[in-house]
Amino acid sequence: AQSVAQPEDQVNVAEGNPLTVKCTYSVSGNPYLFWYVQYPNRGLQFLLKYITGDNLVKGSYGFEAEFNKSQTSFHLKKPSALVSDSALYFCAVRDRGLSGGYNKLIFGAGTRLAVHP
Amino acid sequence: SAVISQKPSRDICQRGTSLTIQCQVDSQVTMMFWYRQQPGQSLTLIATANQGSEATYESGFVIDKFPISRPNLTFSTLTVSNMSPEDSSIYLCSVEALSRNTEAFFGQGTRLTVV
Repeated sequence: AQSVAQPEDQVNVAEGNPLTVKCTYSVSGNPYLFWYVQYPNRGLQFLLKYITGDNLVKGSYGFEAEFNKSQTSFHLKKPSALVSDSALYFCAVRDRGLSGGYNKLIFGAGTRLAVHP
Repeated sequence: SAVISQKPSRDICQRGTSLTIQCQVDSQVTMMFWYRQQPGQSLTLIATANQGSEATYESGFVIDKFPISRPNLTFSTLTVSNMSPEDSSIYLCSVEALSRNTEAFFGQGTRLTVV
């Protein structure tokens, strides 16, 4: 069965410091991987995705994520955090599948990022 | 990308009543979904809204409790029926293309409180 783990409920970082939000996954085949952000009272906004190719993926708002197949991880990173980055972050995975049909997105539990001035 | 309008944005309802949430997309999309996000938790898929036919429900969700309509490719509704306080959640509409490598887009959500 597919699953996504975000081991940290909350990550605290000082403004200007680098940040990492961790995500590991388990799928039967090769995954498509996604990161979303949710600001208070808002829906989820897409940040970035890994489909194929370069393991380092760059996305919106200066975020990037690194796909590591051997560690089955897809950690979200940013070189310099902003207070405005404070939000809830979700990792999601979809199995590529070997045949037709739709494979649904599986979301992690979410990690709350708090960036302090 | 797709722009999704979801309404109402929030509501406070009496137990035993029903609430219908609307989701309007600015373009024709293949896949539409409804999720529930309980307080402090992740997203749980309720069902896939199928155009012109009955929705496909996930385990633990039934049509009598969460009837869904999708009369065309740009509009869907989710009804939360006979509500109880346990139904207090954020309900999210989402759309995707059929291709597996595309991202999902979400409405802003409906924050439902049942009293």
